[in-house]
Amino acid sequence: DIQLTQSPSSLSASVGDRVTITCQASQDISNYLNWYQHKPGKAPKLLIYDASNLETGVPSRFSGSGSGTDFTFIINNLQPEDIATYYCQQYDNLPVTFGQGTRLKIK
Amino acid sequence: EVQLLESGGGLVQPGGSLRLSCAASGFTFSNYAMSWVRQAPGKGLEWVSGISASGGRTYHADSVKGRFTISRDSSMNTLFLQMDTLRADDTAVYYCAKDRIVSTRLSTAIDNWGQGTLVTVSS
Repeated sequence: DIQLTQSPSSLSASVGDRVTITCQASQDISNYLNWYQHKPGKAPKLLIYDASNLETGVPSRFSGSGSGTDFTFIINNLQPEDIATYYCQQYDNLPVTFGQGTRLKIK
Repeated sequence: EVQLLESGGGLVQPGGSLRLSCAASGFTFSNYAMSWVRQAPGKGLEWVSGISASGGRTYHADSVKGRFTISRDSSMNTLFLQMDTLRADDTAVYYCAKDRIVSTRLSTAIDNWGQGTLVTVSS
């Protein structure tokens, strides 16, 4: 199975900050990587698909980049409603796998 | 509007069985691969099973292989997960999930999720 390692596991940031999360795959997955936001008691939400494509309706302060084994997810101008856990997910090989998650808190 | 409505969760004893259902609406169900994803208490997301648009191909994570079976009925626009020989570590919220695009893959990006149904395995 392909392992995805997210960093950091948790972080605190202030409103207006730029937040960066990384995801490293255990092997080359091309650009078959997605990013999700998950809030407690809610369904996860797709933010970025295929490494860098913004899902329809998602604010442009969210962005993603990378290919191969190294990927980056950025939130610019952090907003209070961005408090959530963020997951990367690969679909290059079955089984589909998720990173362990990054819990984002507001300072 | 896409809607995915799960049902069938509940409390079951270890070794027991449950069948989850997911009623889909708002899109052409037979065109899209579907998945089940779960989240155990305090843990992250885990992809459990996927099924192709036609239903002809399925895949199950090693953690559930041989115990869970994913299926679909396009005449009813419904996705199923038959869960047998349940264990305590199967306790989780189970989400029904729709693929973002029409594809030959069993799963790509998930653009729609149900609200989840809680399965608790305990004596």
